[in-house]
Amino acid sequence: DGGITQSPKYLFRKEGQNVTLSCEQNLNHDAMYWYRQDPGQGLRLIYYSQIVNDFQKGDIAEGYSVSREKKESFPLTVTSAQKNPTAFYLCASKRGGNTDTQYFGPGTRLTVL
Amino acid sequence: KQEVTQIPAALSVPEGENLVLNCSFTDSAIYNLQWFRQDPGKGLTSLLLIQSSQREQTSGRLNASLDKSSGRSTLYIAASQPGDSATYLCAVERGSGGGADGLTFGKGTHLIIQP
Repeated sequence: DGGITQSPKYLFRKEGQNVTLSCEQNLNHDAMYWYRQDPGQGLRLIYYSQIVNDFQKGDIAEGYSVSREKKESFPLTVTSAQKNPTAFYLCASKRGGNTDTQYFGPGTRLTVL
Repeated sequence: KQEVTQIPAALSVPEGENLVLNCSFTDSAIYNLQWFRQDPGKGLTSLLLIQSSQREQTSGRLNASLDKSSGRSTLYIAASQPGDSATYLCAVERGSGGGADGLTFGKGTHLIIQP
């Protein structure tokens, strides 16, 4: 089956620890995205990558880091500098062009204790 | 900075009714506008994508319109069913970088269809 996988589904970490969220896609999409969703809020863009070995900051990049070493993978690290990391994190990908929609993974719910 | 607003925030209607969800955006320089559905605790499912040059798109009981000049879109759901209960999100794709710069989302409309 083609799609986007995110692991784990639930993640708990102690305050001050860095944590990495996984996102893998087998859709052969060039562009990948990370969004954050808080209760009652729309999704907000954290980072995006249009091609391997290149990525750009979104609207709320502070306290996060990413890498794009492979086309299929776009991991997100939530660092200790992120002031309020507890949220639902969604990864997405798209083939490119304005006719293509973004395909979303199932999400990872991160809780920092 | 692009801002997307969705009205109403919540809506509860009896099964079988036709309904309209509204979305407005502040910057008309968009590549496209998309409507998504989100079930509780899940990822997003794409419903409709309207390119900036288009006025509407239809899929089954769903019809979405786009008026770029006024910064508005509507999602029309015909003959609503309990299975339509979900949060509906409107998003615009940023108008630079070839249409791959990411989406700006509204906060969503939480829809409940009563059996």
